[in-house]
Amino acid sequence: DTGVSQDPRHKITKRGQNVTFRCDPISEHNRLYWYRQTLGQGPEFLTYFQNEAQLEKSRLLSDRFSAERPKGSFSTLEIQRTEQGDSAMYLCASALETSTDTQYFGPGTRLTVL
Amino acid sequence: KNQVEQSPQSLIILEGKNCTLQCNYTVSPFSNLRWYKQDTGRGPVSLTIMTFSENTKSNGRYTATLDADTKQSSLHITASQLSDSASYICVVSELNSGGGADGLTFGKGTHLIIQP
Repeated sequence: DTGVSQDPRHKITKRGQNVTFRCDPISEHNRLYWYRQTLGQGPEFLTYFQNEAQLEKSRLLSDRFSAERPKGSFSTLEIQRTEQGDSAMYLCASALETSTDTQYFGPGTRLTVL
Repeated sequence: KNQVEQSPQSLIILEGKNCTLQCNYTVSPFSNLRWYKQDTGRGPVSLTIMTFSENTKSNGRYTATLDADTKQSSLHITASQLSDSASYICVVSELNSGGGADGLTFGKGTHLIIQP
């Protein structure tokens, strides 16, 4: 499978715990995006990498959230001291820098904070 | 502020029938518009993409139209199938955004249910 993959697909954690998600983009794609999606809503932008550089972060990305893409390939999203409001689907997308910049999404990681 | 509004919020139709989903946007300057299909519990999958100069694009039973003057797009599904049950999300891209957050505005989606 040469698409975007995410791991884990589901995560249940207790409030206050830290969680880390991984995203493996399509191999030649230099752009990588993280989104959060709650039920009935479209994806909300969290952060964006071009190669290993984190170029933009949303106001939604509080100081409890951190993302990395150390070698310009896979990326991790860590949430520290999780809160119930963090429960959502976390989507990763990758794109090749072109005029259309179509993003290809992974299957998402469903986070449930108890 | 850039906005994308989709209608209806939800739609139920019988298998085999046609339907049309609407997307109105205020994104400017406009670069392109995409329709995504998102199955429950999955990531969105791109169906079509249209630039300013294109006013229609087909992908099998899906046909998207774009009127850049009125800033409206529609997604028409012909001869619906049970597998068409999903959320359909309209995403509009801003010109020269450089690929960042300000570049894409997502609609909330239309939840489509196909009944046998």
